[in-house]
Amino acid sequence: DAGVIQSPRHEVTEMGQEVTLRCKPISGHNSLFWYRQTMMRGLELLIYFNNNVPIDDSGMPEDRFSAKMPNASFSTLKIQPSEPRDSAVYFCASSLISSGANVLTFGAGSRLTVL
Amino acid sequence: SQKIEQNSEALNIQEGKTATLTCNYTNYSPAYLQWYRQDPGRGPVFLLLIRENEKEKRKERLKVTFDTTLKQSLFHITASQPADSATYLCALGRWSGGGADGLTFGKGTHLIIQP
Repeated sequence: DAGVIQSPRHEVTEMGQEVTLRCKPISGHNSLFWYRQTMMRGLELLIYFNNNVPIDDSGMPEDRFSAKMPNASFSTLKIQPSEPRDSAVYFCASSLISSGANVLTFGAGSRLTVL
Repeated sequence: SQKIEQNSEALNIQEGKTATLTCNYTNYSPAYLQWYRQDPGRGPVFLLLIRENEKEKRKERLKVTFDTTLKQSLFHITASQPADSATYLCALGRWSGGGADGLTFGKGTHLIIQP
């Protein structure tokens, strides 16, 4: 398996533009997570899905952020409109629950810069 | 609110010595604790998991301890090598009955092994 695949790896955009980040989880995994990482705040959980259903989106900063998982092999995180404070590395991770413990496999991340 | 603390300053260790990293938490009752390694420009990679009823876990040169009374985990790398230089993150989680639950991560400790 190629692992968790994220695109784009780097995105530079201007304030006010729409940004869409994409994720392909590991085949067979049934849970998907979106995290955001900054120096100040570390890794923050934004939202996660179980069997394509959003379970907890309490980490989504504001209504400008939205996430979808239309099927088991694809998810998107959208920011509209983007702001400079959204600049961060966004990670997607997937997992298959084993014995009740959640071990995450992360993608390489999407580095977003909003000017 | 939940809080996970890891040494924010970089830890410099001489090659061949044992590196010990600390993870403390408050306002949380985790069922298990995990350690991840993160290299620059990459996503975190899972290393070890230890359950609440376990005191110690080992994997090759790695050892993790978990003290739920002290609310602390120690992560040891014995016979450290320059290739062990990276940022190490601890993460807390709870057992999931059906689907996954999001992990809460510390900000990580940057470990530097000096040759």
